Amino acid sequence: SQQGEEDPQALSIQEGENATMNCSYKTSINNLQWYRQNSGRGLVHLILIRSNEREKHSGRLRVTLDTSKKSSSLLITASRAADTASYFCALNYGGSQGNLIFGKGTKLSVKP
Amino acid sequence: DSGVTQTPKHLITATGQRVTLRCSPRSGDLSVYWYQQSLDQGLQFLIQYYNGEERAKGNILERFSAQQFPDLHSELNLSSLELGDSALYFCASSRGSGTGGTNEKLFFGSGTQLSVL
Repeated sequence: SQQGEEDPQALSIQEGENATMNCSYKTSINNLQWYRQNSGRGLVHLILIRSNEREKHSGRLRVTLDTSKKSSSLLITASRAADTASYFCALNYGGSQGNLIFGKGTKLSVKP
Repeated sequence: DSGVTQTPKHLITATGQRVTLRCSPRSGDLSVYWYQQSLDQGLQFLIQYYNGEERAKGNILERFSAQQFPDLHSELNLSSLELGDSALYFCASSRGSGTGGTNEKLFFGSGTQLSVL
């Protein structure tokens, strides 16, 4: 399957704690992207990491990519109740296709 | 606000019917993507258009079709609807074709919630 697999499926933490979500895949990618979805709303792009990059930061977000293990992780530091959402990794395989293949997501709940 | 507009927001119809979902991409974006999101299947890629031409095809049923018009808006047509077609349908857009190793992010609309009764 070209789909990424997120782990865990659900995560519940307290405000102020860090949240880590993982994504594994099977075939070499061009880039990997993380998106966030608030309940029933459209997805919002968070961060893109290219296959030749190992780590990227954006505010409280840190994404790592290990192409040898075919895995990525998204770390949200000092989480807030407003971070409660579903987080998806999306894979771009490049070549003739520009579409993204999304995983099933991790549902994050941050309790105040 | 992503700049991608989808209409209608909600659609309730009966089995066997046909509906049309509409999407206007962000200004300047040439690619439009359609995704279907359901609880059991997750977010499934249906089809991509780039500057009026079909670029990539995913898990799109034969009962579904799409097109992108010269003004770059797109329509997704769903016919002979079944109960299982009930889902949230998203449109997304990007600046280029996303192919050839380019690194583009997608901008998503707020979706059309389709309920087939």
